[in-house]
Amino acid sequence: AQSVSQHNHHVILSEAASLELGCNYSYGGTVNLFWYVQYPGQHLQLLLKYFSGDPLVKGIKGFEAEFIKSKFSFNLRKPSVQWSDTAEYFCAVNAQTGGSYIPTFGRGTSLIVHP
Amino acid sequence: DSGVTQTPKHLITATGQRVTLRCSPRSGDLSVYWYQQSLDQGLQFLIQYYNGEERAKGNILERFSAQQFPDLHSELNLSSLELGDSALYFCASSGASGSYRTDTQYFGPGTRLTVL
Repeated sequence: AQSVSQHNHHVILSEAASLELGCNYSYGGTVNLFWYVQYPGQHLQLLLKYFSGDPLVKGIKGFEAEFIKSKFSFNLRKPSVQWSDTAEYFCAVNAQTGGSYIPTFGRGTSLIVHP
Repeated sequence: DSGVTQTPKHLITATGQRVTLRCSPRSGDLSVYWYQQSLDQGLQFLIQYYNGEERAKGNILERFSAQQFPDLHSELNLSSLELGDSALYFCASSGASGSYRTDTQYFGPGTRLTVL
């Protein structure tokens, strides 16, 4: 079964600092990769996704992620964070199991950005 | 607002009881997914329905069941509740193909279940 690891459980940054959140997955076949964000008091929403093609994916609000197949990684980056980026971030993988795709989420990373 | 609604927002019940959680997908979406989020397990995929039919199954207990009705709303039934079932239950919906591979999922606000 596939699994997803998010190495940083809690990250605290100052505004304008650069962000990188790690995500590694274990699955030998074709995967589709996602980053979701949950702002305080709000629902989960999609930040970006990768299916194929250019391994550098750009999402909303200046976020990007790079798929490195050899490292089974899909790290999320932002060059300069803002206070409004304070949220919970989830990496997710879906992989084909039988005839369907089963999503697996990481445990999440809590990001706090100080103004 | 994602367009996905879930009721109730909060539910407090006792062990051994049965509850029903309801989800209304975004207008036009055919797929509904159910997830359980707990502190120790994180966000776990339970089950997916597409246009009334079960499409994919995750770590759903036998005490739990779900269905999707002709109007596309879905219900998650949890029975013989245990303390460990206390969690946030999310519903998500997606459109076109019903394949998690390509569709963006839109999440609802969740139902917080507390089992005492």
